[in-house]
Amino acid sequence: GESVGLHLPTLSVQEGDNSIINCAYSNSASDYFIWYKQESGKGPQFIIDIRSNMDKRQGQRVTVLLNKTVKHLSLQIAATQPGDSAVYFCAENAGGTSYGKLTFGQGTILTVHP
Amino acid sequence: GEEVAQTPKHLVRGEGQKAKLYCAPIKGHSYVFWYQQVLKNEFKFLISFQNENVFDETGMPKERFSAKCLPNSPCSLEIQATKLEDSAVYFCASSPRPSGRSGANVLTFGAGSRLTVL
Repeated sequence: GESVGLHLPTLSVQEGDNSIINCAYSNSASDYFIWYKQESGKGPQFIIDIRSNMDKRQGQRVTVLLNKTVKHLSLQIAATQPGDSAVYFCAENAGGTSYGKLTFGQGTILTVHP
Repeated sequence: GEEVAQTPKHLVRGEGQKAKLYCAPIKGHSYVFWYQQVLKNEFKFLISFQNENVFDETGMPKERFSAKCLPNSPCSLEIQATKLEDSAVYFCASSPRPSGRSGANVLTFGAGSRLTVL
């Protein structure tokens, strides 16, 4: 079946470094991609999203890059802070009648050391 | 309110007992979604509603799981005759009507309800 997966399950960085979290997806019909952050005991929190007609989108300290040719998605976090420590999930959706039916990746644990 | 409210936070049931979880979506959001997360890992889509109508139920284990979103009431997810493998955190999310604008299709998740089946 179709799935979204992450290359690296854990990532450790020093405070102030930039972080890059990667995600591969397999559903070529996906037209909407989202990154969520999940802290312990909480629900997923929206970080940033991107539509398939874009290849880059920037937010505050975060950038999402989409490479449709190789079906790859990445999340870049600039000047990573200890508060960024969490599990990060990519998710994709094909829209239409599949609206809101997100396929999540397995998650990457980001640990930021002060 | 501005957050998705889920109750109870924790629920413990013996195998074979019934479990019922509740979700109050953000006011004005017309879509409600239920997801299951096992072992802090992947999320599994269960069901979605557009107002009180089922929108997509392709993820629901039909035999024991049911869900409703009735007007003027919290949405609910019910599991009849729970099994050990139903132990998970169940998340509810809501969103406004779909839009072509980025960010406008964002699902806002609640804090989840942890179900433990013994």
